[in-house]
Amino acid sequence: QSALTQPRSVSGSPGQSVTISCTGTSSDVGGYNYVSWYQQHPGKAPKLMIYDVSKRPSGVPDRFSGSKSGNTASLTISGLQAEDEADYYCCSYAGSYVFGTGTKVTVL
Amino acid sequence: EVQLVESGGGLVQPGGSLRLSCAASGFTFSSYDMHWVRQATGKGLEWVSAIGTAGDPYYPGSVKGRFTISRENAKNSLYLQMNSLRAGDTAVYYCAREYCSSTSCYLDYWGQGTLVTVSS
Repeated sequence: QSALTQPRSVSGSPGQSVTISCTGTSSDVGGYNYVSWYQQHPGKAPKLMIYDVSKRPSGVPDRFSGSKSGNTASLTISGLQAEDEADYYCCSYAGSYVFGTGTKVTVL
Repeated sequence: EVQLVESGGGLVQPGGSLRLSCAASGFTFSSYDMHWVRQATGKGLEWVSAIGTAGDPYYPGSVKGRFTISRENAKNSLYLQMNSLRAGDTAVYYCAREYCSSTSCYLDYWGQGTLVTVSS
């Protein structure tokens, strides 16, 4: 399976919203509602932020939201905060896990 | 509190072997599928292997035949035996717990990782 396609970077000012896209195929993103998103700060382990396309684990701020249309999933961060600056990876389960190429979010 | 602690990483020559371990605590280890995911420096995440509760292993083509995943439920431990190592296997290796139901599958907890460097 090929990696899911994400933009290399997105940026926004504090308080603004940013959206990260994650494009796959009908065999992964488009075929299952098993899309998850992970946040990774430098030198740290990935942290689950979204699962099942749009659900948030306990403790994840509600400014993080997820959606999906066809073969593309999206993660939106509303009300951007300095601590949101990190790398973000999408992931699709289709018998095995395939990850996105990763997006660096910069808070200006 | 769920905790996953990897160990066993280090420097190994090309063609060599290494065994990684992951000590789990804070949950019923035997009830969950477990995974290894790696990340080369500055690169993205790559799924490496998985093992079911019954010990059934799964691998991508890139490591099949070279890596062996196993678990010891009595010790709440996950292992990854890596043979015929190549420079391209250099990465931080994470163990991760999978939550999977009839309607949902995702990796919910990750360890801090252990660095494997393959170099002469």
